[in-house]
Amino acid sequence: KQEVTQIPAALSVPEGENLVLNCSFTDSAIYNLQWFRQDPGKGLTSLLLIQSSQREQTSGRLNASLDKSSGRSTLYIAASQPGDSATYLCAVNQAGTALIFGKGTTLSVSS
Amino acid sequence: DVKVTQSSRYLVKRTGEKVFLECVQDMDHENMFWYRQDPGLGLRLIYFSYDVKMKEKGDIPEGYSVSREKKERFSLILESASTNQTSMYLCASSFGQDWYSNQPQHFGDGTRLSIL
Repeated sequence: KQEVTQIPAALSVPEGENLVLNCSFTDSAIYNLQWFRQDPGKGLTSLLLIQSSQREQTSGRLNASLDKSSGRSTLYIAASQPGDSATYLCAVNQAGTALIFGKGTTLSVSS
Repeated sequence: DVKVTQSSRYLVKRTGEKVFLECVQDMDHENMFWYRQDPGLGLRLIYFSYDVKMKEKGDIPEGYSVSREKKERFSLILESASTNQTSMYLCASSFGQDWYSNQPQHFGDGTRLSIL
């Protein structure tokens, strides 16, 4: 059964720092991996989707990478800002099921 | 932009009541999903639908049913609400004839449901 793990569960950084969030999954047979952002009490906002044939995707200050063979993905956030404070979730799309989510990394960026 | 609208942000109901949670999307998406989110457990799939009148059980369907009479609307029904169904419920939709196609899922703002 696919399991998705995100480490660390929480992260605090000063404004301006570059940071990396990690996501690992146990079964490499995935169609894609998606990164989301969730603000407190709100729904999920899709940030990036990486197809299984891709190595990375970029959107603004965000860069997500995918290494299917090792079962890992990273989300790189450049020049972090207080407005980046949120919970970041990764999820894999595996044939036969809907998205399987990790439990998230809660990021706090201090000014 | 894709808009997924959940009818209520907050809802309080009593045990034993039949509860309806409504979700509407405006992008003509084929696929729609219901998840619940609980602290320490993350998001778990309850039911999904890849076409009108089609439904599939997710990981935790017990105590729930769904209805999809129109493409844009997917309803989650708690047949007889219990306190362990107190949770945040999230609806999502995505494009694609094949529901595992490489299209992102778009989420609503969630309904925080309390069962007393």
